[in-house]
Amino acid sequence: GQQLNQSPQSMFIQEGEDVSMNCTSSSIFNTWLWYKQDPGEGPVLLIALYKAGELTSNGRLTAQFGITRKDSFLNISASIPSDVGIYFCAGQLRTTDSWGKLQFGAGTQVVVTP
Amino acid sequence: SQTIHQWPATLVQPVGSPLSLECTVEGTSNPNLYWYRQAAGRGLQLLFYSVGIGQISSEVPQNLSASRPQDRQFILSSKKLLLSDSGFYLCAWAGAGLGNTIYFGEGSWLTVV
Repeated sequence: GQQLNQSPQSMFIQEGEDVSMNCTSSSIFNTWLWYKQDPGEGPVLLIALYKAGELTSNGRLTAQFGITRKDSFLNISASIPSDVGIYFCAGQLRTTDSWGKLQFGAGTQVVVTP
Repeated sequence: SQTIHQWPATLVQPVGSPLSLECTVEGTSNPNLYWYRQAAGRGLQLLFYSVGIGQISSEVPQNLSASRPQDRQFILSSKKLLLSDSGFYLCAWAGAGLGNTIYFGEGSWLTVV
């Protein structure tokens, strides 16, 4: 299916460093979501953004809904080993045709070394 | 609180055999339900979604089908599995209506041999 452009594809960082990833789309969305997936498990919701320009934090995570509604970024500050995993962005339309379906980015693999 | 469960967690099936993956949601009524597949690599592909009992929409033509016999039950099936059906299958739910946040189940690993 249709996907968003998520970058970078992977990141190898040292514990304590900050992480930044972003997603862009040619289409606008009403909602941007960021999920984290550990190996062999389902994605877990990290942050949901509902308004253009919105900046939301969840602990060491910060995400923003781009003003154009076509992009979003996720930052992780002071990374720790348990931040390892795959991070997905997802855009969501709130229309009767879409029924809230998500369009996913390809994921960013984060590896944290001590 | 709402919870979602899917089973089995892992499955190894021969080519040509049938498939049935089940998903149930608790703690909510009339949810939107979704089946996603995650093949080798990392992208999540929407297979089916349902906004009510007996209402199924298919996103891509494939060897699979879905059914919703009860409000909070969503089943993914196949009559004859193909090797290409191998992957990680995820059930998900969202509150009724448009654009509520989607939450995922634990996933089911299917290997077709």
